[in-house]
Amino acid sequence: GQNIDQPTEMTATEGAIVQINCTYQTSGFNGLFWYQQHAGEAPTFLSYNVLDGLEEKGRFSSFLSRSKGYSYLLLKELQMKDSASYLCAVYDGNNRKLIWGLGTSLAVNP
Amino acid sequence: KAGVTQTPRYLIKTRGQQVTLSCSPISGHRSVSWYQQTPGQGLQFLFEYFSETQRNKGNFPGRFSGRQFSNSRSEMNVSTLELGDSALYLCASSLDGTGNTQYFGPGTRLTVL
Repeated sequence: GQNIDQPTEMTATEGAIVQINCTYQTSGFNGLFWYQQHAGEAPTFLSYNVLDGLEEKGRFSSFLSRSKGYSYLLLKELQMKDSASYLCAVYDGNNRKLIWGLGTSLAVNP
Repeated sequence: KAGVTQTPRYLIKTRGQQVTLSCSPISGHRSVSWYQQTPGQGLQFLFEYFSETQRNKGNFPGRFSGRQFSNSRSEMNVSTLELGDSALYLCASSLDGTGNTQYFGPGTRLTVL
């Protein structure tokens, strides 16, 4: 079957580092996406990984291990505005579909 | 480049009515996907259009339909509205839908009374 798992909720402190994990099982894999969604708004694209390893983009980094079906999003120097839902999505090339996780709701406290 | 636009932003309808939502993709993008989002259910895939053809479909009843025009603009229609259809409807565009990054519009919030 096709499945993406992420923790439902996480809490962190302003200035800290947080890691949001995502594990997936899909029939085909052609890339993994991370999106950020603030309450009441549309998802916005954060990162894309198709090869194993770490992709760094400012305060945000994303890691992928295809053999383990595992990715994480790392947020450094947390700010209050980082409070949002973080969505993991995998493109299944066999079925030509983007499979979405339910999202991880991150609360950043002062 | 202008982003994805959706109209209307908010809609209130009553049960049994029908509704049409519109989406204009980013210029040059030919794939448009539609999603329904409700609290606790995440993003539920409705359908994807490419070159005026429905290329992929989610598990929604036939009351949900869509189409795409030659300029890549897309519409979705929901007939015989039910209370459970209240949700945020999002459209996302990408270059050709083959694993390219999807960019979302602001969504249409539909409330069915």
